[in-house]
Amino acid sequence: QSALTQPASVSGSPGQSIAISCTGTSGDIHDSDHVSWYQQHPDKAPKLLIFDVTIRPSGVSNRFSGSKSGDTASLTISGLQAEDEGYYYCSSYTGSEIYVFGPGTNVTVL
Amino acid sequence: QDLLVQSGNEVKKPGASVKVSCKTSGYTFSNHDINWVRQAPGQGLEWMGWISIYSQSTKYAQKLQGRVTMTTDTSTSTAYMELRSLRSDDTAIYYCARETRAVAGTGLDYWGLGTLVTVSS
Repeated sequence: QSALTQPASVSGSPGQSIAISCTGTSGDIHDSDHVSWYQQHPDKAPKLLIFDVTIRPSGVSNRFSGSKSGDTASLTISGLQAEDEGYYYCSSYTGSEIYVFGPGTNVTVL
Repeated sequence: QDLLVQSGNEVKKPGASVKVSCKTSGYTFSNHDINWVRQAPGQGLEWMGWISIYSQSTKYAQKLQGRVTMTTDTSTSTAYMELRSLRSDDTAIYYCARETRAVAGTGLDYWGLGTLVTVSS
């Protein structure tokens, strides 16, 4: 049972922007600068999109951006494309030196 | 470029053990911790634990304490995850993943393709 909550699904039309929220508690999101986001396509390994709240690894499109306010982190996808369909997971590295994953959000491009 | 290559799929009986390997290449093994993450069929990601290659220290998810052991072989740049007393709900794809930076908590940037472990009588 995840300590982080995400919406089960988010959808948008091509070209639109969508945001996926990830809400935690004072033990994780609120007190951590180590929030990361992953994209997973069917039958594929997850791919890191964002780490340390806002940093994009080399090679990740700048259409993906991260932010955090209080207990909630957010991933924004701008200029939505068909290839963005898939599951998105947030993760927080806590003060207990463990990772916690959110339950995942299914993104659909209409 | 496959930095992390995992061992093949396994079928095990309840109560047995499984040991999954994760052979790394293309970077300095000791500079990046290795994490293990599993995903049950149709479910989300579950973090299992990490091992520091440099110090050999480990941290495991509380629910797996006592059943999981993570080790490394620095001579072959390979990480291992052993899970004992397998149950049917351990059926999952098991991934190894590399910590992005030398500092823990910076996300997992390279992942293996996954090893399917099926527990069935």
